Amino acid sequence: QSALTQPASVSGSPGQSITISCTGTSSDVGGYNYVSWYQQHPGKAPELMIYEVSNRPSGVSYRFSGSKSGNTASLTITGLQAEDEADYYCASHTGANTLSFGGGTKLTVL
Amino acid sequence: QVQLQESGPGLVRPSETLSLSCTVSGGSLSSEYWHWIRQPPGKGLEWIGFIYYSGSANYNPSLKSRVTMSVDASRNQFSLKLNSVTAADTAVYYCARRGGPGYVDLWGRGTLVTVSS
Repeated sequence: QSALTQPASVSGSPGQSITISCTGTSSDVGGYNYVSWYQQHPGKAPELMIYEVSNRPSGVSYRFSGSKSGNTASLTITGLQAEDEADYYCASHTGANTLSFGGGTKLTVL
Repeated sequence: QVQLQESGPGLVRPSETLSLSCTVSGGSLSSEYWHWIRQPPGKGLEWIGFIYYSGSANYNPSLKSRVTMSVDASRNQFSLKLNSVTAADTAVYYCARRGGPGYVDLWGRGTLVTVSS
């Protein structure tokens, strides 16, 4: 299975908004509303931020939101804060009943 | 609250078998799917596979020929075996709980396994 495609890096200033894209195919992202996003700080395990395209788990800030159009899903972070600086990964359920991850995006808060 | 803890050797020789266990505490294995995910140093996440508490499993096609997962309900543990390892299998290995299709809602802290002679 091929990894989902994410930009290697994005950046933004405190208070700004950024969007990270995650592109797959009709066999994964485009075929199901089962896309998730994870935040990972250095040396830590990933943390679930968004599931089923746009749902936030309890405790995750409202500043994080998700959406999908066709074969591309997106994670948007509004009101950037220094603590948001981390790696972000998307993942999708696939038609083969597997889980496919994106390559990861490094977010830098300037 | 439910917690996951990986355990196993931190060093494995090339061509041998990597064996890890994940202990579920504060909850039960029953009626859940359990994943293994790995992350080579400085690289991204790679899904290895999942196993249902009943024992049925599904693996990443790229690793399928070398992977076996199992469940030990009596010990509230599930396990990963990866055979014929090479240096490319050096990674932090995470066990995790499936929250639903397409997402993991609980992760272990991860354990680094190095493949080296």
